[in-house]
Amino acid sequence: AQSVAQPEDQVNVAEGNPLTVKCTYSVSGNPYLFWYVQYPNRGLQFLLKYITGDNLVKGSYGFEAEFNKSQTSFHLKKPSALVSDSALYFCAVRFLYNFNKFYFGSGTKLNVKP
Amino acid sequence: EAGVVQSPRYKIIEKKQPVAFWCNPISGHNTLYWYLQNLGQGPELLIRYENEEAVDDSQLPKDRFSAERLKGVDSTLKIQPAELGDSAVYLCASSLGLAGTTDTQYFGPGTRLTVL
Repeated sequence: AQSVAQPEDQVNVAEGNPLTVKCTYSVSGNPYLFWYVQYPNRGLQFLLKYITGDNLVKGSYGFEAEFNKSQTSFHLKKPSALVSDSALYFCAVRFLYNFNKFYFGSGTKLNVKP
Repeated sequence: EAGVVQSPRYKIIEKKQPVAFWCNPISGHNTLYWYLQNLGQGPELLIRYENEEAVDDSQLPKDRFSAERLKGVDSTLKIQPAELGDSAVYLCASSLGLAGTTDTQYFGPGTRLTVL
């Protein structure tokens, strides 16, 4: 089955420290990977995506993600966390061979403490 | 540029009542999606439109849910009758819809439905 997993329901990090939000996927074929952020009572906002090319993708608000094909992972990272980064983060996988469908992970709540 | 617009933002109804949600996608976006998001979970696709055609409605509970996108622009999602378990956030998203590409979906703020 094609799916995406976010193994951590919650990640806690102190302001100024690096953060990582994990995402793994299972797929037959080439995946296209996305990260979205959701603030309370708001829709999902696009952060970044990996299509092809350089495994390290840079996105909005200083976030980046590294595609690792051997580990089927696409972890979201930021070198220095801000309190304002506290939100819900969703990884999504898109498979062009399945009607352009997006599959979303269950989400990871990021808490950045001052 | 205006983003995806949804209304209403919040809706509270009694069970067995009908309810409708409206979405206006980003101008020029051919593909429109309706998602259901339960608390603490990721969005789940209900239906996807390419212009006015529903190309994937396999997850839409057709006994009570219906959707339309008559002119290939804005869309309406309806529930009739609503059940307690329908309480959730209903998200609309749109994308350019370029065939064979990896265009990005952009989401509206959602409609939070509470069924009492």
